[in-house]
Amino acid sequence: SSELTQDPAVSVALGQTVRITCQGDSLRSYYANWYQQKPGQAPVLVIYGKNSRPSGIPDRFSASTSGDTGSLTIAGAQAEDEADYYCNSRDTSRNHLDVFGNGTKVTVL
Amino acid sequence: QVQLQESGPGLVKPSQTLSLTCTVSGDSITSGSYYWSWIRQPAGKGLEWIGRIYPSGGTTYNPSLKSRVTFSVDTSKNQFSLKLSSVTAADTAVYFCARGVPILAVGGYYYDPWGQGTLVTVSS
Repeated sequence: SSELTQDPAVSVALGQTVRITCQGDSLRSYYANWYQQKPGQAPVLVIYGKNSRPSGIPDRFSASTSGDTGSLTIAGAQAEDEADYYCNSRDTSRNHLDVFGNGTKVTVL
Repeated sequence: QVQLQESGPGLVKPSQTLSLTCTVSGDSITSGSYYWSWIRQPAGKGLEWIGRIYPSGGTTYNPSLKSRVTFSVDTSKNQFSLKLSSVTAADTAVYFCARGVPILAVGGYYYDPWGQGTLVTVSS
């Protein structure tokens, strides 16, 4: 399958931990990259590869993979983490096209 | 620090061609093993990958748009461009340009940085 499937929305209490998942066959071959998008802004890379954070991304963001499912974990969620999160990878079935998940809205309560 | 900036008309009439340019600053568009992509986002919806272009001019397009899309690169101006023909209201979206960066050792690419995005509305 060329799709990456994410839960539409999750909520987390301030300071608690939330995990967002991304499921797709391509994740058996490539890791999911993760992007944070706030309203009216461009996406920002928060995790790439196995579990690498770009400079400036807090270490409360981490990633893991199991089988065809990638996960992004926010440990100790902050109010500023409220945003849409998208996963992205390569479609191994179709000439290595790039694909994005449908996005997960994270609400911090 | 590499920066990307989209430019082009914000309003396009139905059946016409949408044309956008992404200007890269802070580094040469030919440096490294990067590629350059266009990604769009209709209002309230998710991200849709349109395609990628290599500095050599090689391209890969989303099959759903392939018949209408053309990418080009101008290395002398450090720019790459998107043309989308026969547009309809369904093509109304924020269009982002982004750099594809190879992930060494494990394969795949990630997108960083992104341009701020430009809204293109298709309407008569």
